[in-house]
Amino acid sequence: DSGVTQTPKHLITATGQRVTLRCSPRSGDLSVYWYQQSLDQGLQFLIQYYNGEERAKGNILERFSAQQFPDLHSELNLSSLELGDSALYFCASSAGTSRAGELFFGEGSRLTVL
Amino acid sequence: KNQVEQSPQSLIILEGKNCTLQCNYTVSPFSNLRWYKQDTGRGPVSLTIMTFSENTKSNGRYTATLDADTKQSSLHITASQLSDSASYICVVSAGGTDSWGKLQFGAGTQVVVTP
Repeated sequence: DSGVTQTPKHLITATGQRVTLRCSPRSGDLSVYWYQQSLDQGLQFLIQYYNGEERAKGNILERFSAQQFPDLHSELNLSSLELGDSALYFCASSAGTSRAGELFFGEGSRLTVL
Repeated sequence: KNQVEQSPQSLIILEGKNCTLQCNYTVSPFSNLRWYKQDTGRGPVSLTIMTFSENTKSNGRYTATLDADTKQSSLHITASQLSDSASYICVVSAGGTDSWGKLQFGAGTQVVVTP
């Protein structure tokens, strides 16, 4: 158990809909990262937050947004969903600012768009 | 072009045998290199992290090596077990001030261990 909690584990929805994925980082970790992994693809970095502030942005679509709350949990909002958004969405957390720090991944949220 | 290339894409090995996975990267400046194990449908789990000054690091039956001059790393699995069946992902972190969160992920090597 990495200590990173993601909900929901599975989600099935229709095209055009909006969903919210939630992530609770490990206790004490200030950084939260979001990744997308499509079928048989590598992990794609979406966005990172550190202590409530956006720190880095990757290949995140404009239809997607995220935020980190004062209690450090984070939410990834996906809107106007398309079939191609079906994927595993992983959240990871790390202690702080060190790039050499350990990164802990949650078990992912599997999104299926029909 | 991906800055982290892994080979082979997949491999099948017999239980009890050894195998070596390769990772070549072009990320610069270099900060550290990580190997993760990802079981199907699960989150990646860290095996090793190596910085520029480290040549080798072990975690049980997993041994990673790093040659920062040639920008190559390998992950050696000794006496493979069925539970080693997974995707092994090489991740390189860039140095510099504008590299927050921009870990470069390889596509992974899918390892299947057969009885």
